[in-house]
Amino acid sequence: EIVLTQSPGTLSLSPGERATLSCRATQSVDSRYFAWYQQKPGQAPRLLIYGASSRAAGIPDRFSGSGSGTDFTLTISRLEPEDFAMFYCHQYDFSPPYAFGQGTKLEIK
Amino acid sequence: EVQLVESGGGLVQPGGSLRLSCAASGFTFSDHYMDWVRQAPGKGLEWVGRTKNKGHSYTTEYAAAVKGRFTISRDDSKNSLNLQMNSLKTEDTAVYYCVSLISGYPYWGQGTLVTVSS
Repeated sequence: EIVLTQSPGTLSLSPGERATLSCRATQSVDSRYFAWYQQKPGQAPRLLIYGASSRAAGIPDRFSGSGSGTDFTLTISRLEPEDFAMFYCHQYDFSPPYAFGQGTKLEIK
Repeated sequence: EVQLVESGGGLVQPGGSLRLSCAASGFTFSDHYMDWVRQAPGKGLEWVGRTKNKGHSYTTEYAAAVKGRFTISRDDSKNSLNLQMNSLKTEDTAVYYCVSLISGYPYWGQGTLVTVSS
């Protein structure tokens, strides 16, 4: 069973700063089936990145994903006020259960 | 445009049953795997289960927390995904989302709320 661990649990930054979120897997993951989501209160998760590094439709280019194997990173190059939210990583192939990370809360400093 | 619309949520007593549905449109439903994912109030995302496509014998997979109580089915003729939930527990209270996996791209519905309470 693959477990995804996100770090940090909470990230406090100011608008304009760069955010780096990490997700580590207990086993190697097929990067074709690795995603990042943003979620705001009361809303469904919004797909940001799929295939580890491909931006989903309509996602600004300040969001980027990288990584392979067991280590993946979501980078937001220059934070906008609307970017502050919860973020989840997800692996959705290999074998069940298709785990989500526990989440990173990105909050305004 | 891919659309997934969940329905069937509501209030149910512990030990009861509920059936959720997801109506799919905008893609060839029969070709693709479909997942159910849930989110308890104030908690993170939890994968519930998956049904594969006809080419993979409609194989179903379940999270340990729901195995033996929940059953996923699909009707390709109606572009419909179902989640039959039996022996419900208070900890099953959550928003339930259906998710389609189209060439590695996950599409999500807006979710339906299930509340298990006496």
